[in-house]
Amino acid sequence: GQSLEQPSEVTAVEGAIVQINCTYQTSGFYGLSWYQQHDGGAPTFLSYNGLDGLEETGRFSSFLSRSDSYGYLLLQELQMKDSASYFCAVKGRTGFQKLVFGTGTRLLVSP
Amino acid sequence: NAGVTQTPKFQVLKTGQSMTLQCAQDMNHEYMSWYRQDPGMGLRLIHYSVGAGITDQGEVPNGYNVSRSTTEDFPLRLLSAAPSQTSVYFCATKGLAGGEGTDTQYFGPGTRLTVL
Repeated sequence: GQSLEQPSEVTAVEGAIVQINCTYQTSGFYGLSWYQQHDGGAPTFLSYNGLDGLEETGRFSSFLSRSDSYGYLLLQELQMKDSASYFCAVKGRTGFQKLVFGTGTRLLVSP
Repeated sequence: NAGVTQTPKFQVLKTGQSMTLQCAQDMNHEYMSWYRQDPGMGLRLIHYSVGAGITDQGEVPNGYNVSRSTTEDFPLRLLSAAPSQTSVYFCATKGLAGGEGTDTQYFGPGTRLTVL
């Protein structure tokens, strides 16, 4: 089976940097994805790591360490609009295209 | 392009009723899937399809049926609705041509279903 763990909630202030961690246990591993979801909205894709290391996309970066079964999403220069839930998702060896999602981290950005 | 569309946006059913949630996409994506999202549970995969005529079960398939007769449409059928199926349902699509280097799934706006 597959399971993922994320903190349930993180708080930060505008302009700060925040890191959201994700640890996973899977029977196989192809990659780790991150999705953002605002209240009442649909999840939107942020980032994907298939290999170890850092992927940077503007203010967002994602890191993966396959040996540690660990990844994180780094959000820099936080803005109020970044208040949302963030989900990590794993694509495991069984079910090539299937994603298993974590339970999500709710990020609250305050002024 | 409309992307991924879902209908209806909201639905209230009585226990035992059946209904079909519609999902359509105009991106010519091979992969389509249905998730349900419950508070504190994240997104759980119900069924998925890698192309017309091919479907498979996800984590929580019981009580749901799917079919994929065209690339564009992937309806989800609730056979006999139960209160435990009260949830938000999302359809998602992904192109397979991108290989392993990318993994973008595109989600529809969701259907909010309440079963009384």
